[in-house]
Amino acid sequence: GQNIDQPTEMTATEGAIVQINCTYQTSGFNGLFWYQQHAGEAPTFLSYNVLDGLEEKGRFSSFLSRSKGYSYLLLKELQMKDSASYLCAVRDKGRGSTLGRLYFGRGTQLTVWP
Amino acid sequence: EPEVTQTPSHQVTQMGQEVILRCVPISNHLYFYWYRQILGQKVEFLVSFYNNEISEKSEIFDDQFSVERPDGSNFTLKIRSTKLEDSAMYFCASRDRGLYEQYFGPGTRLTVT
Repeated sequence: GQNIDQPTEMTATEGAIVQINCTYQTSGFNGLFWYQQHAGEAPTFLSYNVLDGLEEKGRFSSFLSRSKGYSYLLLKELQMKDSASYLCAVRDKGRGSTLGRLYFGRGTQLTVWP
Repeated sequence: EPEVTQTPSHQVTQMGQEVILRCVPISNHLYFYWYRQILGQKVEFLVSFYNNEISEKSEIFDDQFSVERPDGSNFTLKIRSTKLEDSAMYFCASRDRGLYEQYFGPGTRLTVT
């Protein structure tokens, strides 16, 4: 099966840097995604890692270590609008499916204070 | 920028009734998904769909659920006889061939009373 763990809540102040960790166990790893979800809204894509290392995209970066089953999302220069839930999701090769179903963690609720 | 759309935004129904949730995926996308999120819980995969057939379904997707692509643009999720525990936000997603990102629609909030 799949097991994805991330902290439930984090807080930080405007302008700061925050790192949200995610650990996973999966039988057929085929990529890790980070999504942002504001309350009552759809998840929006932030990043994708399939190989080890760091992917940088503006203020957001994501890191993956497949051997450790570990990823983090790094948010720099935090803004109030970054207050949201951040979802770690693992794509599994599934039962022969090539479509890649996503398994989501419970999300980390980030609150950014002024 | 193209986006996935879903209707209605909110559906209230009585237990035992049938509901159809509608989605219009991004036009050139080929892979379609339904997910649900019960309030306060994680997003859960329901089903994936490609080439007019189900590719994979989860244990949640039992005989009460069905999906259909009735024409070239719509993708629907039908729940035949709703239960209280079907109350959730239902998200449709689509993906283009060769790409990894799944684009999510805004969701339909289903309330079963």
